Amino acid sequence: GAGVSQSPSNKVTEKGKDVELRCDPISGHTALYWYRQSLGQGLEFLIYFQGNSAPDKSGLPSDRFSAERTGGSVSTLTIQRTQQEDSAVYLCASSLSRTGGRHYGYTFGSGTRLTVV
Amino acid sequence: GNSVTQMEGPVTLSEEAFLTINCTYTATGYPSLFWYVQYPGEGLQLLLKATKADDKGSNKGFEATYRKETTSFHLEKGSVQVSDSAVYFCALSGETSYDKVIFGPGTSLSVIP
Repeated sequence: GAGVSQSPSNKVTEKGKDVELRCDPISGHTALYWYRQSLGQGLEFLIYFQGNSAPDKSGLPSDRFSAERTGGSVSTLTIQRTQQEDSAVYLCASSLSRTGGRHYGYTFGSGTRLTVV
Repeated sequence: GNSVTQMEGPVTLSEEAFLTINCTYTATGYPSLFWYVQYPGEGLQLLLKATKADDKGSNKGFEATYRKETTSFHLEKGSVQVSDSAVYFCALSGETSYDKVIFGPGTSLSVIP
């Protein structure tokens, strides 16, 4: 697509429920990233995909968080048994693969605002 | 590990004032450096980037020069406008293929008429 698309744009869920957040990256972008932005905080890295594999998942805060990517395209971030501290804006970004060590920079989606009540 | 430090905000300037937002980094080798901007109610956008020492990134009147000797990438604009009000994030990515982008905490800028 023309840009990175995330859905839903807003999600309100009850504590303890599971949620799925979706990201559709720019066509041809093999790298995909998930970040979290909490109110008044910076961006917290969650996980990185290169194709369908995740060489860096060091930022996932607990085993309640998981993510997958299929067909080298769409990615889903799943949060199980949501807690109030999971409330944040979840951002997805994609980029071309790096060449010669140089980074092209990300294109971000508009994010999913998750509120756990 | 890699890290980014940027000046605390909020920063309030009058229209047409000169802007500097300081950014310094810690990383081995030659990381790629970025400034991202987040306008109110919008997502993050790449503002400019520099991928090797002494490179100058520029866009929309903003500039930043990659200074290896001082490990800095300060953002500057000669004359700010009200429409520049936003949060600005300095960021870096290390040299290896799997290095993700690490963001600074962001600096909020308000430009008043």
